[in-house]
Amino acid sequence: DAGVIQSPRHEVTEMGQEVTLRCKPISGHDYLFWYRQTMMRGLELLIYFNNNVPIDDSGMPEDRFSAKMPNASFSTLKIQPSEPRDSAVYFCASSTGTEGGYTFGSGTRLTVV
Amino acid sequence: QKEVEQNSGPLSVPEGAIASLNCTYSDRGSQSFFWYRQYSGKSPELIMFIYSNGDKEDGRFTAQLNKASQYVSLLIRDSQPSDSATYLCAVNIAGGGNKLTFGTGTQLKVEL
Repeated sequence: DAGVIQSPRHEVTEMGQEVTLRCKPISGHDYLFWYRQTMMRGLELLIYFNNNVPIDDSGMPEDRFSAKMPNASFSTLKIQPSEPRDSAVYFCASSTGTEGGYTFGSGTRLTVV
Repeated sequence: QKEVEQNSGPLSVPEGAIASLNCTYSDRGSQSFFWYRQYSGKSPELIMFIYSNGDKEDGRFTAQLNKASQYVSLLIRDSQPSDSATYLCAVNIAGGGNKLTFGTGTQLKVEL
């Protein structure tokens, strides 16, 4: 298995632009998580899905952020409009539950200038 | 009080020594506990998980859990320079569904 695949690896965008991050979970994993990591706040859960259904989006910072999972093999995290404070590394992770922990993707480093 | 707390470090140990990393959590109902290792610029990777009080060993790594005191620790025996990384403690908070709450991590430096 290729693991959790995220794209793009790096994204530099101007403030106000729309940003879309993509994630392909491991086949057979029915949980998908979006985390954001910054030096100040560490890893923060934004949202997670179970069987393509959003379960907990309480970590989504504000209405500028949205996430979808149209099928078991694909999810997107969208930021519109982007702001400099959104600059961070965004990780996608998948699992079959918490018993075995998560497998993380390589992350997307987002820079908003 | 943060839900999961770790000393940010850096923790410096000489090569071959035992590194001891600690984590405390606030929710007594927490059920499962994980240690992840994260190299600079890389994604977190799972090292160990533990559910029951006591010790769990896997090679050079030992996870220790004390639910009464609400702490979990990771011991790394015979530390190697390749163990230099940030170690993240993660907890499945009771009532939190299947999400993990992470500490901010402890940076470990193993010196030659």
